[in-house]
Amino acid sequence: DQQVKQNSPSLSVQEGRISILNCDYTNSMFDYFLWYKKYPAEGPTFLISISSIKDKNEDGRFTVFLNKSAKHLSLHIVPSQPGDSAVYFCAASAPDDKIIFGKGTRLHILP
Amino acid sequence: KAGVTQTPRYLIKTRGQQVTLSCSPISGHRSVSWYQQTPGQGLQFLFEYFSETQRNKGNFPGRFSGRQFSNSRSEMNVSTLELGDSALYLCASSPAWGGLYNEQFFGPGTRLTVL
Repeated sequence: DQQVKQNSPSLSVQEGRISILNCDYTNSMFDYFLWYKKYPAEGPTFLISISSIKDKNEDGRFTVFLNKSAKHLSLHIVPSQPGDSAVYFCAASAPDDKIIFGKGTRLHILP
Repeated sequence: KAGVTQTPRYLIKTRGQQVTLSCSPISGHRSVSWYQQTPGQGLQFLFEYFSETQRNKGNFPGRFSGRQFSNSRSEMNVSTLELGDSALYLCASSPAWGGLYNEQFFGPGTRLTVL
């Protein structure tokens, strides 16, 4: 049973436009969500996080939105840049401290 | 500050063998977590150590074990290797436990291939 789902394995976006990566979860006990970015041959790097008491968190070009009623979160990247091409993982953790990752979405920024 | 280091970077083993992977966290970080990444399953949490104690464990069989030393370095051991254990094994460190609620810093991973 996949508790954190990233339903789009890949996404292509024109440079300068908005990239929206989506993530759905099933466990209502999740109270903290994180996004990681991963380049080939490197470990994931932390991007941005959000607590379940918030519905939005912004850091520069990156904004994460959380819709608890829909059990959905999204990562917006505006404007998209070539260096944003990577695999993005959504992750969620619950009070029992287990962290669950989605399978990732590969983002391609087109010139 | 030096990042998280993992050794070896690549490893080839045969079924039935055992393997030990090593992780050195960022200096001052006391929490070390291990993850398995495969194309089909994505990133899966194996376990977290803090101050030499296993604080949390994912849903992996007992063939997967780990430990943490007093200097926070950690090792992960997989015994009786199976073909399905072929994966990228990532280690992540964090300053405090509940590293899951904090930013984790990942190493480059060890690519294990089981033949």
